Amino acid sequence: DAKTTQPNSMESNEEEPVHLPCNHSTISGTDYIHWYRQLPSQGPEYVIHGLTSNVNNRMASLAIAEDRKSSTLILHRATLRDAAVYYCILLSGNTPLVFGKGTRLSVIA
Amino acid sequence: DAGVIQSPRHEVTEMGQEVTLRCKPISGHDYLFWYRQTMMRGLELLIYFNNNVPIDDSGMPEDRFSAKMPNASFSTLKIQPSEPRDSAVYFCASSLWGDTGELFFGEGSRLTVL
Repeated sequence: DAKTTQPNSMESNEEEPVHLPCNHSTISGTDYIHWYRQLPSQGPEYVIHGLTSNVNNRMASLAIAEDRKSSTLILHRATLRDAAVYYCILLSGNTPLVFGKGTRLSVIA
Repeated sequence: DAGVIQSPRHEVTEMGQEVTLRCKPISGHDYLFWYRQTMMRGLELLIYFNNNVPIDDSGMPEDRFSAKMPNASFSTLKIQPSEPRDSAVYFCASSLWGDTGELFFGEGSRLTVL
């Protein structure tokens, strides 16, 4: 399986942008980059995904490097509700999601 | 849509007892997944189904674990006999596979085996 590398933890101030990095140097051409997050005491939830181009949705933006070996999840204005573990996952074809350890984001008021 | 529904939300049992966890996927979804989460091992995929058929059960830890999906709207994960090391949060997720591969997770069943 293609693997991803994320920092164990990050901290942000409330209402400031947050950039969560993910390295995936062994990504293949058919791998989509998916981001999920897990709020405390909840199941993971989908955030965003992309293949080559940058993507935006109501939750976040995904910036993908030109060589696709890294990506960054951008939360434009962090709120206390964004404190969670964020998972960067590569997904290709009909294969199930395999979660790593993710990045634990703390948001400071 | 009600989302993925799991029951029970919490279960406390004694070692050796049988445990059955239940899951109702989102209507129309054709994939169903069972995951387990512990502090030590994180989120692990146990088994997944496509159109009610088990596709990959290589993540099931032992023969004590079994999962069934008798129809498109119901799945069970059974542990018999249960052991303290089975204590974890068990998540069920479903999806309608396509290019998004978006999984919808339930709220989980927290199992404590004494």
